[in-house]
Amino acid sequence: DAGVIQSPRHEVTEMGQEVTLRCKPISGHNSLFWYRQTMMRGLELLIYFNNNVPIDDSGMPEDRFSAKMPNASFSTLKIQPSEPRDSAVYFCASSFGQVDAIYFGEGSWLTVV
Amino acid sequence: QQQVKQSPQSLIVQKGGISIINCAYENTAFDYFPWYQQFPGKGPALLIAIRPDVSEKKEGRFTISFNKSAKQFSLHIMDSQPGDSATYFCAATLFGNEKLTFGTGTRLTIIP
Repeated sequence: DAGVIQSPRHEVTEMGQEVTLRCKPISGHNSLFWYRQTMMRGLELLIYFNNNVPIDDSGMPEDRFSAKMPNASFSTLKIQPSEPRDSAVYFCASSFGQVDAIYFGEGSWLTVV
Repeated sequence: QQQVKQSPQSLIVQKGGISIINCAYENTAFDYFPWYQQFPGKGPALLIAIRPDVSEKKEGRFTISFNKSAKQFSLHIMDSQPGDSATYFCAATLFGNEKLTFGTGTRLTIIP
């Protein structure tokens, strides 16, 4: 099993640019999560999909952030326009509906300058 | 709103010693408390978890102690090894609810 696959692994972009992060969940998993990790706030859940439908997006910080899951094998997190305070590690995770079996990808390290 | 408070932020322990990380939660409805381990450049991975029907759970050198009345739980790593150096996150949720609330993390360093 390839695990959760995220791309890009590292992204450096200028303030104001659009950033798109991509995630391929583990095959067969029906829940997908986007988390943001910072030193100050730790791991924060941004949005949670179940069967490709957004269930809880209360963690999305503002309208500059959007997420989609067009099918069971792909999701995107988009930031437009990006700001320096968006610099963080963004993790995608997936599960088969079990809270004790949530698997994280290796993260996308975003730096906005 | 920080519903799970974790301490310390960083911890240095000598090889062979006991590492202790503490967490406190606010929501009394929470009934599932996992700990995640994260190595540099990797995503977090489930290490051990406990439900409130027991006060302690042990898996190898890792033990969770749970105090329901105090709304606190802690991770103890016995005989700490350099390979245990990582960031540890506690979390909490309602069992069956995949929306985990994480603590802010503890960076553990085991020195020879």
